[in-house]
Amino acid sequence: DVKVTQSSRYLVKRTGEKVFLECVQDMDHENMFWYRQDPGLGLRLIYFSYDVKMKEKGDIPEGYSVSREKKERFSLILESASTNQTSMYLCASRWTGPGYSNQPQHFGDGTRLSIL
Amino acid sequence: ELKVEQNPLFLSMQEGKNYTIYCNYSTTSDRLYWYRQDPGKSLESLFVLLSNGAVKQEGRLMASLDTKARLSTLHITAAVHDLSATYFCAGNFGNEKLTFGTGTRLTIIP
Repeated sequence: DVKVTQSSRYLVKRTGEKVFLECVQDMDHENMFWYRQDPGLGLRLIYFSYDVKMKEKGDIPEGYSVSREKKERFSLILESASTNQTSMYLCASRWTGPGYSNQPQHFGDGTRLSIL
Repeated sequence: ELKVEQNPLFLSMQEGKNYTIYCNYSTTSDRLYWYRQDPGKSLESLFVLLSNGAVKQEGRLMASLDTKARLSTLHITAAVHDLSATYFCAGNFGNEKLTFGTGTRLTIIP
């Protein structure tokens, strides 16, 4: 089974802090994703990466950056946390090798981040 | 830009009944996904639908795709309490970016 592990289930930070959310997958997936989930808005894509050191903006990248130095690890960075970034953050990965067309994105358990 | 709309947003139904969740999307989607999320938990993949007329079934859940109507449905047969969850559909258009619907919160009443 695919395992996507997020470093923290719950995190509380203060406004202005630099915040790091870490995600690791164990299945050698090329593609990795960061979403935030808010009530009534569903999941919205922040950034994704299709290879080491490669990244693309999603729908709501403002205030965030990402880092992918190793294939298995994808980090989301809140440069200067603000209260409107309080949310549930979900990491996902997807296989894009042979037979990839019917592969879903596999999600981690999420990090509930509160910015005070 | 791909937009995905689900309805209903909330659904309360009795055990044993049948019902359908609808997912409309605005432009051609390469693939259509259905996910399940239990409270406080992650998203679990249910189905990946690739082509027009695709139908997939797993237990009491059946998903179908009509690309001409830009519509996918998730049909629940003889609902049981364990199916209570939030269900999301999602599509993508020419790349890896998924666009999710806002979800349908399903509550099965004994």
